Amino acid sequence: SAVISQKPSRDICQRGTSLTIQCQVDSQVTMMFWYRQQPGQSLTLIATANQGSEATYESGFVIDKFPISRPNLTFSTLTVSNMSPEDSSIYLCSAQGQGGSYEQYFGPGTRLTVT
Amino acid sequence: AQSVTQPDIHITVSEGASLELRCNYSYGATPYLFWYVQSPGQGLQLLLKYFSGDTLVQGIKGFEAEFKRSQSSFNLRKPSVHWSDAAEYFCAVVPSGTYKYIFGTGTRLKVLA
Repeated sequence: SAVISQKPSRDICQRGTSLTIQCQVDSQVTMMFWYRQQPGQSLTLIATANQGSEATYESGFVIDKFPISRPNLTFSTLTVSNMSPEDSSIYLCSAQGQGGSYEQYFGPGTRLTVT
Repeated sequence: AQSVTQPDIHITVSEGASLELRCNYSYGATPYLFWYVQSPGQGLQLLLKYFSGDTLVQGIKGFEAEFKRSQSSFNLRKPSVHWSDAAEYFCAVVPSGTYKYIFGTGTRLKVLA
């Protein structure tokens, strides 16, 4: 398994600003993922972040709005840009297990409120 | 369309009672199957997984799940629920040939003392 930490745990931001969320894994992993969980909803995949390549975004999510960095095998960031109240959500990162395992391990999430 | 369904949005059980949470999927080939629990204000914790083999899998915290191919189901069970089990439970599927999770809508469990 992997232990994942996220910073910040929560934030309240003004509309029009940007927030960068950091995700740290305690071991080297190939694949990391970013999800959005809107209030009372399930998780929606934003993008897949592989080290050394551009992130792959899901339908409805674009790089200009959610730029992602993956500088090494233990770290990734997600930026929520030009925020609006509709971006208020929990943002979670996850890492896929090693050795061909498909299970993902999740961070505690970042609760974002945009006013 | 391919989907993962958790028919029960809310379930309330008394402490000590048995529990079954339902999960159905609609994919052609048998996918990889997972159950996660999310406690309030927390991330998701993996309870158990099914890849192949024995269709009854044991997980953490006394949970088990049974894969039934004929019903395209992967229901989560626990014989005796504890108050600390109150949380949101998500079924997740990785369709064959992919690596991405498809999550169900979740079931919120309330436990009565």
